[in-house]
Amino acid sequence: DVKVTQSSRYLVKRTGEKVFLECVQDMDHENMFWYRQDPGLGLRLIYFSYDVKMKEKGDIPEGYSVSREKKERFSLILESASTNQTSMYLCASSPGGRGHLWSNQPQHFGDGTRLSIL
Amino acid sequence: EDKVVQSPLSLVVHEGDTVTLNCSYEVTNFRSLLWYKQEKKAPTFLFMLTSSGIEKKSGRLSSILDKKELFSILNITATQTGDSAIYLCAVEAWVDTGRRALTFGSGTRLQVQP
Repeated sequence: DVKVTQSSRYLVKRTGEKVFLECVQDMDHENMFWYRQDPGLGLRLIYFSYDVKMKEKGDIPEGYSVSREKKERFSLILESASTNQTSMYLCASSPGGRGHLWSNQPQHFGDGTRLSIL
Repeated sequence: EDKVVQSPLSLVVHEGDTVTLNCSYEVTNFRSLLWYKQEKKAPTFLFMLTSSGIEKKSGRLSSILDKKELFSILNITATQTGDSAIYLCAVEAWVDTGRRALTFGSGTRLQVQP
């Protein structure tokens, strides 16, 4: 089974702090994704990556950055946390790579990190 | 702009009832539609639909896609309390670099009462 592991289930930080959310997958997937989930808005894509050191903006990249130094790890960074970034953050992975971002394999999700910014 | 709309937003039924969840979409370069079930943690994959009119079935759950009318339904028969969850619909599209891979609806929250 695919295992996508997010480092923290719950995290509380203060405004202005730099926040790192870590995600690791163990299935050698090329594609990795970061979403945030808010009531009434569903999941919205922040950033995705189809290869090591490659990254692409999603729908709502403002205030975030990402890092993909190793294939299995995709980090989401809040440069200067703000209260409107309080949310559930979900990481996902899928096989394929740039030519196959939309392969026949669905994305597999981690359990999520509930981040509160005070 | 790509859009995925789910209805109803929330639903309360009793065990044994049959429910139908709806998902309509407006997407450029449609590739597939996916259903996920989300309980307390990660969304778990249910179905991927790419062709119109072909029903996918897994136990008491089934789903079908209509690419002409741009919608999909998810049916759950003989509901159980364990079916209580948020059901997410997502549409996958062929996009260029920099555009999003998957567009999610806001979900339908299903509560099954004993």
